[in-house]
Amino acid sequence: KQEVTQIPAALSVPEGENLVLNCSFTDSAIYNLQWFRQDPGKGLTSLLLIQSSQREQTSGRLNASLDKSSGRSTLYIAASQPGDSATYLCAAGKTSYDKVIFGPGTSLSVIP
Amino acid sequence: SAVISQKPSRDICQRGTSLTIQCQVDSQVTMMFWYRQQPGQSLTLIATANQGSEATYESGFVIDKFPISRPNLTFSTLTVSNMSPEDSSIYLCSAKSRDRLSGNTIYFGEGSWLTVV
Repeated sequence: KQEVTQIPAALSVPEGENLVLNCSFTDSAIYNLQWFRQDPGKGLTSLLLIQSSQREQTSGRLNASLDKSSGRSTLYIAASQPGDSATYLCAAGKTSYDKVIFGPGTSLSVIP
Repeated sequence: SAVISQKPSRDICQRGTSLTIQCQVDSQVTMMFWYRQQPGQSLTLIATANQGSEATYESGFVIDKFPISRPNLTFSTLTVSNMSPEDSSIYLCSAKSRDRLSGNTIYFGEGSWLTVV
C-alpha cells in the first residue's frame, strides 16, 4: 500500500530565501508524481507533474525532482516571496487510470 | 488543462439534512474523483465516480452516506446524506484525462465548504 509523507510539516522563511520541500513515497512503482499548492479554504492548483521516466520539471521559480529508486521527490522554490505562502502537497499516482495518494502537506510561510 | 466548477462553494447545513454538490468539467475527462478534506488535514479519497455505473468507494465510505452520480463524461454529483457535525469539511471534485497531452495531470475544483450545525 502506497504511503506518502512530507517533511517538514511547516516551514517559515524570510523573503528571498531559496527552500526545498520534501516528499517521500514507499512504493517506487509510481506512474507520476504531482505537486500542488493550496491556499486556505481553496481548492488545489497543480504546479508540476513529473512522469516516472523524468527526473525533473521546471516552471518559473519552481523545480521539482524525482528519484524513484530512493522514493523521493523535492520541490525547490527559488527566491521565495510572500505570495508563495500556502500549503504544498505532493501526490503519487500508481497507474494512469488509478487514484493518487496524497501526502499530508507542508505549510509554508514566507515572511516579508 | 481542465477547468472544474463546483457548487455550492460554501453552505451551512442543518444536522440530519442532505446536500448535493455538483461538479462540472469544461472538457471530456476519463476519470473523476471526490475527496474530503477535514479541517487541518490532507485529502482523503471518498470514491471514483464512474460514468454510467456505480461509483467505486474507498474503505470507510459507503454509498448510502455518499451517493455519487456521473451521468456523462463532464458532470458528477456527490450527496452528503443525513449530515452530522463530523461531516463539516471541504469536499473537492477532481478530474484527469488519460492522454499524453495532459500527462495524466489531475485538476481540482475550488471545493465546497460545508459546515453542519
